[in-house]
Amino acid sequence: QLQLQESGPGLVKPSETLSLTCTVSGGSISSTAYYWGWIRQPPEKGLEWIGSIYYSGSTYYNPSLKSRVTISVDTSKSQFSLKLSSVTAADTAVYYCARQDGFDWSYWGQGTLVTVSS
Amino acid sequence: QSALTQPPSASGSPGQSVTISCTGTSSDVGGYKYVSWYQQHPGKAPKVMIYEVSKRPSGVPDRFSGSKSGNTASLTVSGLQAEDEADYYCSSHAGSNNFVFGTGTKVTVL
Repeated sequence: QLQLQESGPGLVKPSETLSLTCTVSGGSISSTAYYWGWIRQPPEKGLEWIGSIYYSGSTYYNPSLKSRVTISVDTSKSQFSLKLSSVTAADTAVYYCARQDGFDWSYWGQGTLVTVSS
Repeated sequence: QSALTQPPSASGSPGQSVTISCTGTSSDVGGYKYVSWYQQHPGKAPKVMIYEVSKRPSGVPDRFSGSKSGNTASLTVSGLQAEDEADYYCSSHAGSNNFVFGTGTKVTVL
């Protein structure tokens, strides 16, 4: 059974860079059939797609976050990562990693809360 | 890209049906056959219930159905059960492998 697990700091200071990693197990991150992505959810609010990456490194980003987002993949470690720069309190959210099947999200990590605060 | 519009809440008694709408534009919902619906219980990750407008993943009860007309997609839950009480989000492809989610609907089973 495919599993995804987010990891990274739960507290980030304003203006700094948020960094998270998603570890994929029970399946191959190098499969040609899927993209892998990040989705976030501010407390008591809705979901927001951040971006997606293919095993080859090809990326797509939400236009509203594109200037601050970098997603990368390390197939040798079966991991993909998110970096979000110049964070503010508005970036406080639960961050999910997920597998993109075609144009939907079929497998999700449990999510990790990242709080932006000094 | 703006969030897709969903009603904040919907409710029904056990056994009844509830329908949730998801309104976008011709650049997202209306332009592609790639609308999906997600169920989210408190403190849990979302779970896909419908993909490609009307397809159900394996294991999702056939009480859940999806449709689309123009720029509006809909999710219908028939034969409401207590465990259907959750937040529901739609999502649509918005071109160039971009995605947009809906504002979310809280479904209450009375």
